Amino acid sequence: DAGITQSPRHKVTETGTPVTLRCHQTENHRYMYWYRQDPGHGLRLIHYSYGVKDTDKGEVSDGYSVSRSKTEDFLLTLESATSSQTSVYFCALGQENYGYTFGSGTRLTVV
Amino acid sequence: ELKVEQNPLFLSMQEGKNYTIYCNYSTTSDRLYWYRQDPGKSLESLFVLLSNGAVKQEGRLMASLDTKARLSTLHITAAVHDLSATYFCAVDMYSGGGADGLTFGKGTHLIIQP
Repeated sequence: DAGITQSPRHKVTETGTPVTLRCHQTENHRYMYWYRQDPGHGLRLIHYSYGVKDTDKGEVSDGYSVSRSKTEDFLLTLESATSSQTSVYFCALGQENYGYTFGSGTRLTVV
Repeated sequence: ELKVEQNPLFLSMQEGKNYTIYCNYSTTSDRLYWYRQDPGKSLESLFVLLSNGAVKQEGRLMASLDTKARLSTLHITAAVHDLSATYFCAVDMYSGGGADGLTFGKGTHLIIQP
């Protein structure tokens, strides 16, 4: 979507390796989020950020860490990828009273 | 813990028919969103409902919010094939201190057949 870019779009990685997904925005939004989407579960919140260096855990944060060193970038890291982390990951921007805008997603496969 | 339940989870219907998707949630919130997702794609915002009694319409879709009943509905009028998609409702976990993110229902997979 315009103003929010996720990279990479697709990634295959091996179990036990570290992986970092990037979310970049050009909208100067304060709030950014990482979700994962799995069949039968809808989307579940992993971590979110409400400003530079301000982050908090979501519903399914185990095995994930995040960093936000500047407003435009929100990084999601899998320290040691597991097969259970195979999923589609979406970044989102939040704006009070205007809703949330989602990126195009990253399809991650852990083999 | 906020829980959001959608029903039905799967719906097959014929073109021209009307139907309603229901979204119930477990705790007080006055911010509810509806999204559409096509296979392999991202989520597209359909409606943002920010107050009790809010009703919004776009084409053949109409969404409403009853915060007292903790219920939102997405009504489809005279369905057409192009509306085939998965529809999600999501409730804002807004705590007053900021936008804490959305809790999603599991989605309604809608197939509209000629």
